[in-house]
Parts: sequence; C-alpha cells; structure tokens
Amino acid sequence: AQKITQTQPGMFVQEKEAVTLDCTYDTSDQSYGLFWYKQPSSGEMIFLIYQGSYDEQNATEGRYSLNFQKARKSANLVISASQLGDSAMYFCAMSYINDYKLSFGAGTTVTVRA
Amino acid sequence: DTGVSQDPRHKITKRGQNVTFRCDPISEHNRLYWYRQTLGQGPEFLTYFQNEAQLEKSRLLSDRFSAERPKGSFSTLEIQRTEQGDSAMYLCASSLGTGGYEQYFGPGTRLTVT
Repeated sequence: AQKITQTQPGMFVQEKEAVTLDCTYDTSDQSYGLFWYKQPSSGEMIFLIYQGSYDEQNATEGRYSLNFQKARKSANLVISASQLGDSAMYFCAMSYINDYKLSFGAGTTVTVRA
Repeated sequence: DTGVSQDPRHKITKRGQNVTFRCDPISEHNRLYWYRQTLGQGPEFLTYFQNEAQLEKSRLLSDRFSAERPKGSFSTLEIQRTEQGDSAMYLCASSLGTGGYEQYFGPGTRLTVT
C-alpha cells in the first residue's frame, strides 16, 4: 500500500505571501496520480490540483501549483498570494492509475494571518 | 450541475442501533466511493462502485457495514449494531469513468454513537 507523509502539522502564513506544503510518498509503482485537497472547517473536501506520474510539467491551477519531483518522491503544494479564505486543512493524496481509491496523508493545517 | 450530496449531514444514535446514510453523486459520474474520516486524520477508503458493481472493499469495512448502489446512481451505506468506534465523518465521492481521476466529495455525514 502506498504511504503518504505530510510532516508539517500546522503552518502560519501572512496574507499575500506564498506558502509551500510538503508531501512525500512511497511507492514502487510507476503509474500513479497525486492530488491535493482542501478541507475548510465546514468539512467538505475540495479538489485543488492533480499531477500524473508521467506528466513532465508541474501542474498549475490558478494560485495553486504542484512541485513534482519524481526521483525524490515529493509532491509539494505551493499556494501563492495567500488569502484569508485559504485557512484550512490541506491533504495530499495518491492513487494508482488503475486502482482509483485515494490514500491520504495526515494533513497540514494552514492559518493565514491578516 | 449540482455536486455530490449526502444525507443526513449529522446523525446521533445510540450504541447498538442501525443507521443508513445516502449519497447522490454528480450525475454523469459512474464511480462512487465511500471514505471514513476520524478527527485529526485524513480520510480512509472504505469501498467503491463502478456503476452498480461494488468493486473493492477495505478491510476497515467489517461485516456490520454494507453498501449498495442499486441502479448505478445513488448509494447507501448502512452500519448495523453501531459501536462507539464508528463515530466519524463518512464521506462520499464520485468521479468520471474514464479520463477523470479526480474525485469530488460531498459534505459528509457526521456520525456520533453515544
């Protein structure tokens, strides 16, 4: 089974600054996908960004970008120009391409300060 | 297009009672997933369906748990003889059958067993 590690339990960031959330994964498979989800205090998991293991370019979605380093097995999320509404729990997740189920890390809480 | 919906949002029950949760996926999605999330942890996979077929069940899904998706649209998750350890958030997600790896989550059902 794949293992996802998020080493930062909590982070504070100043409004308008960028923040990087760390994620490492452990797998011997070559075909997989990496995901980031946001979970505000309301509880709903919101999909942010996806990176396939064969994608050569790092994924970007608006203010979110995924720094994918395959050899190091890391998939860090960068949130640029932080906003107060970015305060939430962020989860890194992984699935094998033909397996679909997601395995999640323990999450990182981000608090944006005005 | 509406998102994934779940009902009820909250359920309080006494130990030993049976409970049933419902999930309505995004209409064109043929894959449907159930996850369980306990406080401070990432979601854990329980089971998933492709159309009406239940293709995988986690070992977390004891014989007290059963899930159905009778017509390939909505799904139900039933827990029989609830225990205090069943207290958690139960999340439902759905995804496209082909080409769409990202899963979209509902708001969850928070179960409290007293």
